[in-house]
Amino acid sequence: EPEVTQTPSHQVTQMGQEVILRCVPISNHLYFYWYRQILGQKVEFLVSFYNNEISEKSEIFDDQFSVERPDGSNFTLKIRSTKLEDSAMYFCASGGYTEAFFGQGTRLTVV
Amino acid sequence: EDKVVQSPLSLVVHEGDTVTLNCSYEVTNFRSLLWYKQEKKAPTFLFMLTSSGIEKKSGRLSSILDKKELFSILNITATQTGDSAIYLCAVETMGAGSYQLTFGKGTKLSVIP
Repeated sequence: EPEVTQTPSHQVTQMGQEVILRCVPISNHLYFYWYRQILGQKVEFLVSFYNNEISEKSEIFDDQFSVERPDGSNFTLKIRSTKLEDSAMYFCASGGYTEAFFGQGTRLTVV
Repeated sequence: EDKVVQSPLSLVVHEGDTVTLNCSYEVTNFRSLLWYKQEKKAPTFLFMLTSSGIEKKSGRLSSILDKKELFSILNITATQTGDSAIYLCAVETMGAGSYQLTFGKGTKLSVIP
């Protein structure tokens, strides 16, 4: 069964550092997303990406965040100058017309 | 602002019981409603519902959508301890050229032997 793959599974970083979270979506999907889930809270939408550009973004997705699809298969989320409150599970998802699958997530811990 | 409300927030049942989980929504540009099961990590896709009144079934799980009353239910029959998880409801809305999912807070289901 096709799956969305995320790396790394866990990343620890110092406050102020930049991190890049990586995702390989399902190959024939058209829409790609990043979500985050702070421990104990609900899953929150960050950004959607379609046709090689951002199509929607939430208020959370400010200038600290950026996304790229550098080579047609990978989909990355960059977080610049990380803050303690960026600690969360970050999920990548990809979707077709009848489904939306999530990756296993990257647990980001900012210390 | 798009809103998805799930109830109950938590539920404890015995193995073999049948449970019904509820999801109501108020959104603009509705496209579909999705159910996910979240255990330790990522939400696992269960169902996508786009049409009212058509039940989707997978084993002991089934779900139906009512687009007039703006809600969906997820039924689990003959529950097992492996059904213990958080069940997430998400509504897919269409923005400018793409979709996004708005999640409810989830229903935490605990099935005890």
